[in-house]
Amino acid sequence: DAGVTQSPTHLIKTRGQHVTLRCSPISGHKSVSWYQQVLGQGPQFIFQYYEKEERGRGNFPDRFSARQFPNYSSELNVNALLLGDSALYLCASSSGPGSSREQYFGPGTRLTVT
Amino acid sequence: SQKIEQNSEALNIQEGKTATLTCNYTNYSPAYLQWYRQDPGRGPVFLLLIRENEKEKRKERLKVTFDTTLKQSLFHITASQPADSATYLCALALQTGANNLFFGTGTRLTVIP
Repeated sequence: DAGVTQSPTHLIKTRGQHVTLRCSPISGHKSVSWYQQVLGQGPQFIFQYYEKEERGRGNFPDRFSARQFPNYSSELNVNALLLGDSALYLCASSSGPGSSREQYFGPGTRLTVT
Repeated sequence: SQKIEQNSEALNIQEGKTATLTCNYTNYSPAYLQWYRQDPGRGPVFLLLIRENEKEKRKERLKVTFDTTLKQSLFHITASQPADSATYLCALALQTGANNLFFGTGTRLTVIP
C-alpha cells in the first residue's frame, strides 16, 4: 500500500514568490495535517483538514493557506515567500481528526527561499 | 510559556546498552503523548502512543513511561543497535482544542558498534 505522498520533493523559490505544495494521504484516511520543520527543530503545526473542512490552524500568518479536495488530497499554499519560510514541509494523514490517532507522515517537501 | 524539552540534542551509547531519552513539558495538559523516529531527510515515523492514565507502554524493545505529576515521559530502547541511530521526537496531544501534535526538538541518538 502506498504511504503518504508529497510533491514536489525539493523546490527553490525567490522571496516574494508563491508556492503550492501537494499531498496525497493514505487510502481511506480523511484527515490531513500540515507541519513546518525548520532545521534542528521539531515539526510545527500549520493546518489540519478533515472531510474537507479546516479543523485546526497553528500560529502562522495569513500568507499560509490550505485546502482539501473531495478525494482527500490537500494543497498548502504560501504567498509572498520570506527567507524564513525555508523549511521541510510535512504532510501527515490519519484515519480521523482526533489527537489520539497516530499520524502517518510523508517524506516532506524541502523548500528553499533565496 | 509552553515548552517541550527533550533531554539533550545528542546522545551516544554503546551497542547493546539501553538508551533512555527524556521528554519534559511545562504548561501543557496532554491527553496523549506520542514518540516518533525521524531519519535524515525523511518524515517522522510513529513508534508508540501512551495515554494520560497509562503509566507504561511496551512494544518489542521499546518502552515508554508517562508521569503526569512530574510532567515527563521517558523513552527506552533496550539492546540498542546501530540501526536505532536516528532522531527521536516526543509529541503531545492536548485534552482540548485543536487535534494537532506539539513536538519537542528531538534527541539525536547514535548507537556506536
